[in-house]
Amino acid sequence: GIQVEQSPPDLILQEGANSTLRCNFSDSVNNLQWFHQNPWGQLINLFYIPSGTKQNGRLSATTVATERYSLLYISSSQTTDSGVYFCAVASGNTPLVFGKGTRLSVTA
Amino acid sequence: GAVVSQHPSRVICKSGTSVKIECRSLDFQATTMFWYRQFPKQSLMLMATSNEGSKATYEQGVEKDKFLINHASLTLSTLTVTSAHPEDSSFYICSARGLTELTNYGYTFGSGTRLTVV
Repeated sequence: GIQVEQSPPDLILQEGANSTLRCNFSDSVNNLQWFHQNPWGQLINLFYIPSGTKQNGRLSATTVATERYSLLYISSSQTTDSGVYFCAVASGNTPLVFGKGTRLSVTA
Repeated sequence: GAVVSQHPSRVICKSGTSVKIECRSLDFQATTMFWYRQFPKQSLMLMATSNEGSKATYEQGVEKDKFLINHASLTLSTLTVTSAHPEDSSFYICSARGLTELTNYGYTFGSGTRLTVV
């Protein structure tokens, strides 16, 4: 099956800093999503981005499908950005396969 | 946007009892739903694929007799943890894919159920 690797596994930032999270995947996909899991466990869908670039406020994401990677950019980080960020991919009608996540901690 | 409702959000049960978790797609039809399990500080692992009107497909290592899945309608799937034991304590979360513009063809997740077996 598809393998998903995320880096870095852990990230500590000062409030206001920028960061880039990376997601590599092993095969062609037609679905790629970035999620933020909050401390209560809820998965917040950040982007549906199988290809191209999208922006939503301080967050943006880029997927280069031909090179099998996606990047999530967080600018001007805030303490509320803390949590785990997951990249998940699917091919065809298969279920999403999740990476191990990047655990982000933003300190004041 | 698309909403998937999952209940209960938290449940504590005694060892040996059964627990039912419901997953509903509120504003779209979902012929297929997915059940995941997440242990502390780990990623989400797929347990099974729930298909409306047919048997669920279980991932390798998941006991189908222990984790009963019923997908009786296009908007409801249930997961029943039978004869629960402390090692079944985990965070269970369901997902549905809507094949409409409403869902942007992506997967939507419920808010999860934290199961504690004592």
